Amino acid sequence: DQQVKQNSPSLSVQEGRISILNCDYTNSMFDYFLWYKKYPAEGPTFLISISSIKDKNEDGRFTVFLNKSAKHLSLHIVPSQPGDSAVYFCAANMGRRALTFGSGTRLQVQP
Amino acid sequence: EAQVTQNPRYLITVTGKKLTVTCSQNMNHEYMSWYRQDPGLGLRQIYYSMNVEVTDKGDVPEGYKVSRKEKRNFPLILESPSPNQTSLYFCASSDRDRLSYTEAFFGQGTRLTVV
Repeated sequence: DQQVKQNSPSLSVQEGRISILNCDYTNSMFDYFLWYKKYPAEGPTFLISISSIKDKNEDGRFTVFLNKSAKHLSLHIVPSQPGDSAVYFCAANMGRRALTFGSGTRLQVQP
Repeated sequence: EAQVTQNPRYLITVTGKKLTVTCSQNMNHEYMSWYRQDPGLGLRQIYYSMNVEVTDKGDVPEGYKVSRKEKRNFPLILESPSPNQTSLYFCASSDRDRLSYTEAFFGQGTRLTVV
């Protein structure tokens, strides 16, 4: 049973608009959440993270929101750019254990 | 430049022929791990190591071995590869301490095909 779920395998948005990528989790013991971006033929690269004691973290065009009661987090990209086209993975951490990843969402930003 | 280096990038092998995928990091990180990525399943952890000579199983360890004789290297060993181990493999390292988590740095991946 997947503890971290990304229910949208793909998302397409227009350049300049907002991209919203969603992630749901089932384990309330997760205490840290991360988003990774992956381009073809490359390894995932860290994008942004949030601790479970916060509900929002912002870094430039990227903002992550955490709703603990709903066990839901989202990544907002504003404005979206063609270079943002990639696969985005949501990941969660519990203490010193390994990251648990979602299955990924492929974002396509149309020029 | 801080990096995690995996070799080879691509490998096609036959069932049962032992192989090793190497991983090396230059950041003096204590924590290293191996993941496999499969369609629809995201990245799943195979094995991890918290320090030299300390390794433990992740979520999908069957059919794999690892060793951590030096801090910088963490090879993944498939003693008798099978077709269900065809996948994209990633090595990762992070500077994890007792109190907090920091992001993992990933290698570029090894695409393995077992025929």
